Amino acid sequence: KAGVTQTPRYLIKTRGQQVTLSCSPISGHRSVSWYQQTPGQGLQFLFEYFSETQRNKGNFPGRFSGRQFSNSRSEMNVSTLELGDSALYLCASRGRGRAFPYEQYFGPGTRLTVT
Amino acid sequence: GESVGLHLPTLSVQEGDNSIINCAYSNSASDYFIWYKQESGKGPQFIIDIRSNMDKRQGQRVTVLLNKTVKHLSLQIAATQPGDSAVYFCAENSNYGGSQGNLIFGKGTKLSVKP
Repeated sequence: KAGVTQTPRYLIKTRGQQVTLSCSPISGHRSVSWYQQTPGQGLQFLFEYFSETQRNKGNFPGRFSGRQFSNSRSEMNVSTLELGDSALYLCASRGRGRAFPYEQYFGPGTRLTVT
Repeated sequence: GESVGLHLPTLSVQEGDNSIINCAYSNSASDYFIWYKQESGKGPQFIIDIRSNMDKRQGQRVTVLLNKTVKHLSLQIAATQPGDSAVYFCAENSNYGGSQGNLIFGKGTKLSVKP
């Protein structure tokens, strides 16, 4: 079974631009969560989608948004990029809805650099 | 707020020795804990998980111990190998907002295995 895939793997953007990152979960998984990883803040939860609905959102500004499609693929968007948005953006999928176990499987991430 | 932290940011062990990585969590309502391993350039890889109704769980060469009294979690790796060198994260989930997709991660411990 293929793992979580994320595209693109690397991205360089300029301040003020916007960016869209894509995530394809493991086949059959319906939950997708997004995380931001930086050296200073570590891994921080952005949001989770399940069956095309956002179920929870972390403490990030409204510039960060996401969506999920009917095939469970998810995208996240960051508008008006700031230098501090440079990070590794990780997507994780989970298959069991609200039932235990809750383990999430991560993709390789998208490395975003804002200049 | 909720937080998960690590006592030791770096750990260096000799190949063949056992490794113990510790983690403290602050939310007594957390009901699920996971350990992840992250190698350079990759996303976090699931190692082992444990529910709050358990004290110990064993996997292949790894054991997770949970002490709810002092809110402490540990990961034991038996016969540590060079391939175990990575950053290890503990994460907790408290089903906040009815979502199991928002893991709270610790800062990570870097494990270095000397041949």
